[in-house]
Amino acid sequence: EIVLTQSPATLSLSPGERATLSCRASQSISSFLAWYQQKPGQVPRLLIYDASNRATGIPDRFSGGGSGTDFTLSISSLEPEDFAVYYCQQRSSWPLTFGGGTKVEIK
Amino acid sequence: EVQLLESGGGLVQPGGSLSLSCVASGFNFNNVAMNWVRQAPGKGLEWVSSISHRGDNSFYADVVKGRFTISRDNSKNTLYLEMNDLRAEDTALYFCAKARQQLVWRDCFDSWGQGTLVSVSS
Repeated sequence: EIVLTQSPATLSLSPGERATLSCRASQSISSFLAWYQQKPGQVPRLLIYDASNRATGIPDRFSGGGSGTDFTLSISSLEPEDFAVYYCQQRSSWPLTFGGGTKVEIK
Repeated sequence: EVQLLESGGGLVQPGGSLSLSCVASGFNFNNVAMNWVRQAPGKGLEWVSSISHRGDNSFYADVVKGRFTISRDNSKNTLYLEMNDLRAEDTALYFCAKARQQLVWRDCFDSWGQGTLVSVSS
């Protein structure tokens, strides 16, 4: 099973600041990584697929990068609605797995 | 507009059974793999099971293998999850989720239902 480790667990930032979230895979997953955003009481929303492709309707302040085992999700300038929990997910092999999440909170 | 509507959750005793359904609309259900993902209260996301677009291939997380069965009826645009021998640790909100790409079994999820809550307790 591929384990995804997200860091940090919590990121405390102010609106307008840049956020950089990390997801590390226990073995190479090529570019088969997705990122999701989940706000309290809401369902997850797909942000990025295949490491660097924005999903439909996702603002360009969100960007993804990386390949192999190390991936990042960047938010160039945090908007109030961006404070949420972010999960990565790999589709390289069964079982599909998610990371434990990074909470981006208002500082 | 894609819509996924789950139902069937509820309170069940340990060792009991429950059947979940997810009715889909707004896309070509016949061509898309479907998935169940769960989230325990206050916890992260956990993939549970996937089924190919034709329903002839299914995949399970080890923690549910042998107890849960995923199936689909393409004539009814409906996904199912039969859950047996339920345990307290199966307590979670169960989401139905659609694969992003057509004809791809192992994918990310671009649409999610609102979820149905399963509580396992005596």
